[in-house]
Amino acid sequence: EAQVTQNPRYLITVTGKKLTVTCSQNMNHEYMSWYRQDPGLGLRQIYYSMNVEVTDKGDVPEGYKVSRKEKRNFPLILESPSPNQTSLYFCASSLYSGVSNYGYTFGSGTRLTVV
Amino acid sequence: AQSVTQPDIHITVSEGASLELRCNYSYGATPYLFWYVQSPGQGLQLLLKYFSGDTLVQGIKGFEAEFKRSQSSFNLRKPSVHWSDAAEYFCAVGQSGGSYIPTFGRGTSLIVHP
Repeated sequence: EAQVTQNPRYLITVTGKKLTVTCSQNMNHEYMSWYRQDPGLGLRQIYYSMNVEVTDKGDVPEGYKVSRKEKRNFPLILESPSPNQTSLYFCASSLYSGVSNYGYTFGSGTRLTVV
Repeated sequence: AQSVTQPDIHITVSEGASLELRCNYSYGATPYLFWYVQSPGQGLQLLLKYFSGDTLVQGIKGFEAEFKRSQSSFNLRKPSVHWSDAAEYFCAVGQSGGSYIPTFGRGTSLIVHP
């Protein structure tokens, strides 16, 4: 089944403890992206990647890191999480990032709580 | 810069009634427009998209949307709502050409009364 898989689905952690949220897609998509969703603010892009080894900042990149060493994986890293990073996170992928856009396929989300 | 406005935070309809969710965009050229649905506890699912051509677009689950350039709108419609349509709906706009970085609206929560 074509899908974007995020893990974990739920995570509670303490301030300052490094964590990684994994994202993997099995559709050979070039474009991948991370969003956070907060009440009243909708979806805000954190980072995106046009292809392997190509990443760029979105609207709210502070406090996050990403890497794209393989086409299928795009992990989100929080080196020192803080309570304001408590949110619902979504990974998404798309076949192409240019004109021929097919829309995103989203993962099921990761609900992160930082205490 | 492109932007998307969904004027209604919440919409309440009765089951069987018709539905229209509003979306207004700001973008200089011809936009790429999308509607996504997010069911409780789930990720977003693409309902339909508009790139060019016929301005009335059919999507999944019986939804349709109409692109109106003169009004900068891309409203989502359904003639008869089912209780399972209760969800959050997001409109998004993307650029034609070049790198694609879509902008999402803040969402409209649909409540369906029996």
